[in-house]
Amino acid sequence: SQQGEEDPQALSIQEGENATMNCSYKTSINNLQWYRQNSGRGLVHLILIRSNEREKHSGRLRVTLDTSKKSSSLLITASRAADTASYFCATESGGGADGLTFGKGTHLIIQP
Amino acid sequence: DAGITQSPRHKVTETGTPVTLRCHQTENHRYMYWYRQDPGHGLRLIHYSYGVKDTDKGEVSDGYSVSRSKTEDFLLTLESATSSQTSVYFCAISGLTSVSTDTQYFGPGTRLTVL
Repeated sequence: SQQGEEDPQALSIQEGENATMNCSYKTSINNLQWYRQNSGRGLVHLILIRSNEREKHSGRLRVTLDTSKKSSSLLITASRAADTASYFCATESGGGADGLTFGKGTHLIIQP
Repeated sequence: DAGITQSPRHKVTETGTPVTLRCHQTENHRYMYWYRQDPGHGLRLIHYSYGVKDTDKGEVSDGYSVSRSKTEDFLLTLESATSSQTSVYFCAISGLTSVSTDTQYFGPGTRLTVL
């Protein structure tokens, strides 16, 4: 079963605007990660936030985590056409190498 | 790229035939994973490996088997392919320097079509 659920499923904005995507999950986690997938390509890791962290930044990315609400958000500031992609949240709940549980993704389109 | 390749990149096969997908890494990561990606489902874990000859089942393991005889290779086998196994298959690796999975690095994917 899916652990994470992204919202919205699709998002279209103008270049230069900020894009916000949300992820909700069901069980307790060790960490939550965001990945990007360009059409027809593999996934690229963007950022990881641990369960004891509330906010994390990486370049134009800002991720927040609210474990009480079991939710996370990914903010991309000053969007660019190259940001057009699908974005997935993934959670790690088990110990060691149990793998990640992915949401269904948000498809982001940046209009030039 | 994290030194991870998948072969073949595309394959068309017929129902009932066996199929083996290969994942090869050059980074000496301990953990390896196979996921499938289908529209409306995101990525789902099929099997994973935490070392040579050590594997375990994921969420959607029925109809699939895996083997890992060397650190660098992780094979996914469909013993008798079915149309429901038409999908894009991704291999991932992690765990170079720690015991936890943390960041996973993904291969380019294999698009499998079962007719």
